[in-house]
Amino acid sequence: KNEVEQSPQNLTAQEGEFITINCSYSVGISALHWLQQHPGGGIVSLFMLSSGKKKHGRLIATINIQEKHSSLHITASHPRDSAVYICAPYNTDKLIFGTGTRLQVFP
Amino acid sequence: ETGVTQSPTHLIKTRGQQVTLRCSSQSGHNTVSWYQQALGQGPQFIFQYYREEENGRGNFPPRFSGLQFPNYSSELNVNALELDDSALYLCASSRGLAGGNTQYFGPGTRLTVL
Repeated sequence: KNEVEQSPQNLTAQEGEFITINCSYSVGISALHWLQQHPGGGIVSLFMLSSGKKKHGRLIATINIQEKHSSLHITASHPRDSAVYICAPYNTDKLIFGTGTRLQVFP
Repeated sequence: ETGVTQSPTHLIKTRGQQVTLRCSSQSGHNTVSWYQQALGQGPQFIFQYYREEENGRGNFPPRFSGLQFPNYSSELNVNALELDDSALYLCASSRGLAGGNTQYFGPGTRLTVL
């Protein structure tokens, strides 16, 4: 079993829909990163959180340390949100990456 | 634009050769991490350097080694290349260890081993 599980693996949505991506992990962590990777490889850090909730524009990230679960929400999705979203908990000096959720938003 | 650059962009090597990949971090970032991303997979942590010392290593053999320099640049060296080393290699810099700081990723170097 992988240490980090993301769901769904693939997601398609119509523009304007509310999106939720889930991340569950089995190891103890001190923080968790949400990353966005566009075709071609570039990775952008969206959030780093260790408790509670963070919001940036249309993106919201939450984490429940006790339940070892985090979610990334996108409100009013847009075609430019199409990318792979990766959850990466931080455990003993290293990031452990999920395999990502591929999101496609259609106009 | 993250302010982190990597060179070269693409590289082709043959099995058994050695390769050096370079990363230039943002000014003031004392931590750099290197990741390997095989096609269709998520990134895998190779190692992290903090203030020029290795601080954390993933499940990679010793033929993967690194250096971090005082001028915020760093290198990833891979000896005795194998076909499975073909991947996108990413570096990420931060102000401090990745556990508590935002990571700024470079665009990556795509290595092909023939």
